[in-house]
Amino acid sequence: DAKTTQPNSMESNEEEPVHLPCNHSTISGTDYIHWYRQLPSQGPEYVIHGLTSNVNNRMASLAIAEDRKSSTLILHRATLRDAAVYYCILSLPGFQKLVFGTGTRLLVSP
Amino acid sequence: GAVVSQHPSWVICKSGTSVKIECRSLDFQATTMFWYRQFPKQSLMLMATSNEGSKATYEQGVEKDKFLINHASLTLSTLTVTSAHPEDSSFYICSATPPTGSYEQYFGPGTRLTVT
Repeated sequence: DAKTTQPNSMESNEEEPVHLPCNHSTISGTDYIHWYRQLPSQGPEYVIHGLTSNVNNRMASLAIAEDRKSSTLILHRATLRDAAVYYCILSLPGFQKLVFGTGTRLLVSP
Repeated sequence: GAVVSQHPSWVICKSGTSVKIECRSLDFQATTMFWYRQFPKQSLMLMATSNEGSKATYEQGVEKDKFLINHASLTLSTLTVTSAHPEDSSFYICSATPPTGSYEQYFGPGTRLTVT
């Protein structure tokens, strides 16, 4: 499985944008980039995924570098409820197995 | 979105006993479910892939005779921790994906197991 590297933790203030980076320099041409987040004492939840183009949904935006060796999850206005561990994961299309790395713990201050 | 439930949400058992954890997909059928384990302040570790009607596929280092997985129907997978020891105390999480065209995996809320 291709590996991802994320900062251990990041801090943000409420209502400010947050950019969570992920490096995946060994990504293959067919790997999808997935983001999940895990709130305390809960199972992870899906945030967004993409292949080559930038993606937007109601939760976040995903910016993918042109060479696909890195990506950034963007939360446009952080809220206290966005405090969680965010995981960047690579997987092959149709291959459902997810291998979680260490993730980034996002702290949001009021 | 789709819902995956787990039961129980927490359980305490004595060392040497077995405990069963259920994972259900409530509004979709799942031919494949996954089981993860998470120790405090650590990431999720994939334990096994549960396939409906066939044997589970275990990740390297996971004892298949200790962690019995049964995927008897398209909406239910069970994980039985046999002869539990205190080191098996952990947060166990299952996940499932709807069968057609979805890249999104739905996770259960997790089961906190404490072995005394």
